[in-house]
Amino acid sequence: QSVLTQPPSVSGAPGQRVTISCTGSSSNIGAGYDVHWYQQLPRTAPKLIIYGNSNRPSGVPDRFSGSKSGTSASLAITGLQAEDEADYYCQSYDSSLSGSVFGGGTKLTVL
Amino acid sequence: EVQLVQSGAEVKKPGESLKISCKGSGYSLTNYWIGWVRQMPGKGLEWMGIIHPGDSDTRYSPSFQGQVTISVDKSISTAYLQWSSLKASDTAMYYCARHAGMYDSIDYWGQGTLVTVSS
Repeated sequence: QSVLTQPPSVSGAPGQRVTISCTGSSSNIGAGYDVHWYQQLPRTAPKLIIYGNSNRPSGVPDRFSGSKSGTSASLAITGLQAEDEADYYCQSYDSSLSGSVFGGGTKLTVL
Repeated sequence: EVQLVQSGAEVKKPGESLKISCKGSGYSLTNYWIGWVRQMPGKGLEWMGIIHPGDSDTRYSPSFQGQVTISVDKSISTAYLQWSSLKASDTAMYYCARHAGMYDSIDYWGQGTLVTVSS
């Protein structure tokens, strides 16, 4: 069981909007530590798509957005495209573990 | 251009030792933490630990403390992950990753090193 909880899977049709949640606790997200999001395409290394809760690295489309509230965070993807089909992971720092932690990952299927 | 280039795939037997590497280029190694992430077959990402090349300050996830050793040779801009006695359950893809800071995101990833442990 991961310290950060994500839904195992989400799906949506092309053009639709989907959200992926990441639920933590008072020792990580709730303690004020930032949440970051990664996209992992099949057989490739993960790629940073959101850092510091809501910031996009250069080159990441503005269809990707992030937010954080309390002990949870969310990744939203609008205008779904077939190329968005991938696994998505959230990450934060946990003070009780004195290190970073990942969510269990969410598989996005574009119908 | 920032790059993290990892050593090649390894096939080992249980009980053998192993050291895999991650060479950084295109930036000053001593300004960023380098971490290691495990991904077992068909599973999610697991943060293993992190090292600061400037002073070799090292932190481990409790799940990996005592199981692996993270080190760095800043003279050749290379970080290492090593095992003294491999187990079949160590079979996984291992990624090295550059952290902007201890609490920050991973902004660059290595290509991954596949470690297979089988008798």
